[in-house]
Amino acid sequence: EAGVVQSPRYKIIEKKQPVAFWCNPISGHNTLYWYRQNLGQGPELLIRYENEEAVDDSQLPKDRFSAERLKGVDSTLKIQPAELGDSAVYLCASSFRESGRLYEQYFGPGTRLTVT
Amino acid sequence: GNSVTQMEGPVTLSEEAFLTINCTYTATGYPSLFWYVQYPGEGLQLLLKATKADDKGSNKGFEATYRKETTSFHLEKGSVQVSDSAVYFCALSDRTGSARQLTFGSGTQLTVLP
Repeated sequence: EAGVVQSPRYKIIEKKQPVAFWCNPISGHNTLYWYRQNLGQGPELLIRYENEEAVDDSQLPKDRFSAERLKGVDSTLKIQPAELGDSAVYLCASSFRESGRLYEQYFGPGTRLTVT
Repeated sequence: GNSVTQMEGPVTLSEEAFLTINCTYTATGYPSLFWYVQYPGEGLQLLLKATKADDKGSNKGFEATYRKETTSFHLEKGSVQVSDSAVYFCALSDRTGSARQLTFGSGTQLTVLP
């Protein structure tokens, strides 16, 4: 069974440029998460989707970050414009929700973003 | 709010040494507790979990016991191997039995030397 797929794995951009990350969750997983992991820190949740609905985006900096999960499968996270402080690893995770319970989160390998 | 405090790294051990990575937490209610491992170049993988007080999670020789009285979930392994070299993250969920909202510690880098 394929795991969570993310692309690109690495991205280097200049500040003020836009950037987008893509995530394909495990087949059948209806819940998808985007996390940001700063160097030497644990992941921090940016947004959580249940199917195509964003149910928790309280930590997403909405002035420059946006996300979508059309059709409730794969998802895109965008930053526009990028700032130096956005340099981090962006992780995608997915899990399965049934009868009100969420099961284990499976993480992708992440996209390492460097903003110069 | 919820928080997780982990033992600072990096930790360097010789093969077959005993490992302890300390983890304490602050949470309201009755969270579930997790240890995740991140090998170089890979995503986080769930190592073990415990969903209620006094539960012991175990996997691949690693163990951790959910201690409500000390709000701790220390990771232990009796004999580490070179292949255990990775970053270990302690985490808690915001609701018993659910992985809805995970709060992570800052991670502990473990290096095992042959």
